[in-house]
Amino acid sequence: QQQVKQSPQSLIVQKGGISIINCAYENTAFDYFPWYQQFPGKGPALLIAIRPDVSEKKEGRFTISFNKSAKQFSLHIMDSQPGDSATYFCAASNRGNYQLIWGAGTKLIIKP
Amino acid sequence: KAGVTQTPRYLIKTRGQQVTLSCSPISGHRSVSWYQQTPGQGLQFLFEYFSETQRNKGNFPGRFSGRQFSNSRSEMNVSTLELGDSALYLCASTLTSGEDTQYFGPGTRLTVL
Repeated sequence: QQQVKQSPQSLIVQKGGISIINCAYENTAFDYFPWYQQFPGKGPALLIAIRPDVSEKKEGRFTISFNKSAKQFSLHIMDSQPGDSATYFCAASNRGNYQLIWGAGTKLIIKP
Repeated sequence: KAGVTQTPRYLIKTRGQQVTLSCSPISGHRSVSWYQQTPGQGLQFLFEYFSETQRNKGNFPGRFSGRQFSNSRSEMNVSTLELGDSALYLCASTLTSGEDTQYFGPGTRLTVL
């Protein structure tokens, strides 16, 4: 019940296309859902995060869509650029336990 | 503001040895978490320290231990190293116990031969 399942494992998108990464969770106590971006040789960095009181959050080209009833959330990257090539992790936590539960990661490659 | 720093960046050890990794959180941050990252297992939570106390612990054997000092700097120690301990060890700091955003350091790449 503590797992966060992330898909796909890897994704190749043409420059200018839309990249979509999905995550699903079981624990209904989760109330914080961040996405992290990791470049080779670097630690993960927070990209965007959402709480379950909203269904969508947009920051620039990055959008999180959240479906509370389906217990799913997804990251959309619009107008994908080669610089977006990285590994993306979804995660979840609840305020009673600040430990983040991580998805397995998605390696995204944007082809020029 | 300086980010999270980890030392050393790279480390090569042999089986049976022990290792100590260091993490300096962002100034003013009081919580430090440690993760092990491997290609097969992804990011796995080791433990979290807040105000020098271990607050959460992941599912790792007792060979993995840590501590936090009064200045919030943290160390983790792995004793009796095994080949499977080869990984990137990441440290993340957060402002307070109520803060969700974790800021990661670049990691320490440990190779066990």
